[in-house]
Amino acid sequence: QKEVEQNSGPLSVPEGAIASLNCTYSDRGSQSFFWYRQYSGKSPELIMFIYSNGDKEDGRFTAQLNKASQYVSLLIRDSQPSDSATYLCAVTSGTYKYIFGTGTRLKVLA
Amino acid sequence: EPEVTQTPSHQVTQMGQEVILRCVPISNHLYFYWYRQILGQKVEFLVSFYNNEISEKSEIFDDQFSVERPDGSNFTLKIRSTKLEDSAMYFCASSRQESSYEQYFGPGTRLTVT
Repeated sequence: QKEVEQNSGPLSVPEGAIASLNCTYSDRGSQSFFWYRQYSGKSPELIMFIYSNGDKEDGRFTAQLNKASQYVSLLIRDSQPSDSATYLCAVTSGTYKYIFGTGTRLKVLA
Repeated sequence: EPEVTQTPSHQVTQMGQEVILRCVPISNHLYFYWYRQILGQKVEFLVSFYNNEISEKSEIFDDQFSVERPDGSNFTLKIRSTKLEDSAMYFCASSRQESSYEQYFGPGTRLTVT
């Protein structure tokens, strides 16, 4: 059974701090990795994707991928209360589907 | 900015009834998906659809489920005889190419089976 693991949290960080969210996956064949943000009762919103080992930055967000360790992370710099949400890690499995983790709930404290 | 739309936003149905959930994917996207999320649980893949046929389906997607692209814009999920355990949020998603590329999700349909 291919799995994506995330710490459910909540992860609490003060406003302005860096939030670090982690994800591990079991399928060594996975090629593409995604971070979605999900507010309560809403749909997943794509915020970052990464396909190659290393770091990818987009504004306040940095995704990090280490395929050897089967590890993906998301850093959120200068965290804001509006960043409070559940962050879902998704990993491709085969050609057509994502496998999602259970998500990490982030709370940014004003 | 183009987005995926879904109707209805909330559907209440009785056990054993048929429901059809509708989605309009982003217009230049070629791959379409349905996922579901039971309250408090993870998002689960149901089915992917390309070139008018199912590309892949999960174990959840049994004979009670079907998908269709009845015209050039709509993509539907039909549940033939709903069960209590079908109560969930159902999300439609689309992508330009296969799952190596980003999938964009619609707002979801909350299905409540009583």
